[in-house]
Amino acid sequence: AQKITQTQPGMFVQEKEAVTLDCTYDTSDQSYGLFWYKQPSSGEMIFLIYQGSYDEQNATEGRYSLNFQKARKSANLVISASQLGDSAMYFCAIKDTGRRALTFGSGTRLQVQP
Amino acid sequence: GAVVSQHPSRVICKSGTSVKIECRSLDFQATTMFWYRQFPKQSLMLMATSNEGSKATYEQGVEKDKFLINHASLTLSTLTVTSAHPEDSSFYICSAGDLELEKLFFGSGTQLSVL
Repeated sequence: AQKITQTQPGMFVQEKEAVTLDCTYDTSDQSYGLFWYKQPSSGEMIFLIYQGSYDEQNATEGRYSLNFQKARKSANLVISASQLGDSAMYFCAIKDTGRRALTFGSGTRLQVQP
Repeated sequence: GAVVSQHPSRVICKSGTSVKIECRSLDFQATTMFWYRQFPKQSLMLMATSNEGSKATYEQGVEKDKFLINHASLTLSTLTVTSAHPEDSSFYICSAGDLELEKLFFGSGTQLSVL
């Protein structure tokens, strides 16, 4: 069984600063993918970044980067230069080859303060 | 990027009625679609996996007869909430994947309110 743990129910960050959202995972599969999604108040799920378990380099997408530490089973999301529009719920998710759907963590609500 | 269209975005219905939610992949063929439910301030919970041309696979605890899923084509899956009750009020969101399921795209969600 897979499990995603997000230990931060809520986070505050000042505009223009960087913030790290924590995510740890548990899976028995050797091949898996880790995802981060942003969910604004409108409800849509916006894909941010993906990291494959065999990727040697940390994934980056613009202001988003994923700090992947495989031995620790962690996949933290780093948002640099926070903007007011970054205020939203952020979900970490995992997909392995056995289970085709995503398993989501409980989410972290990020609030960017001016 | 690929787009998944879901509608309606919001529906209010009376208890006992049925509600159909559509999920369409607009520019790719989705052999598999997933239906999730999200209660307020909670995470997304997988309800069922919809496979084109075959029966859906439901997660434990999800009533097959209450949540009817049809995936009749490679671009359309529907979720019908039958005989809806107030406890079915929730945010329902679909996602669709390509053949290899390397990328999953989400619809914009449907907020269901049962009075």
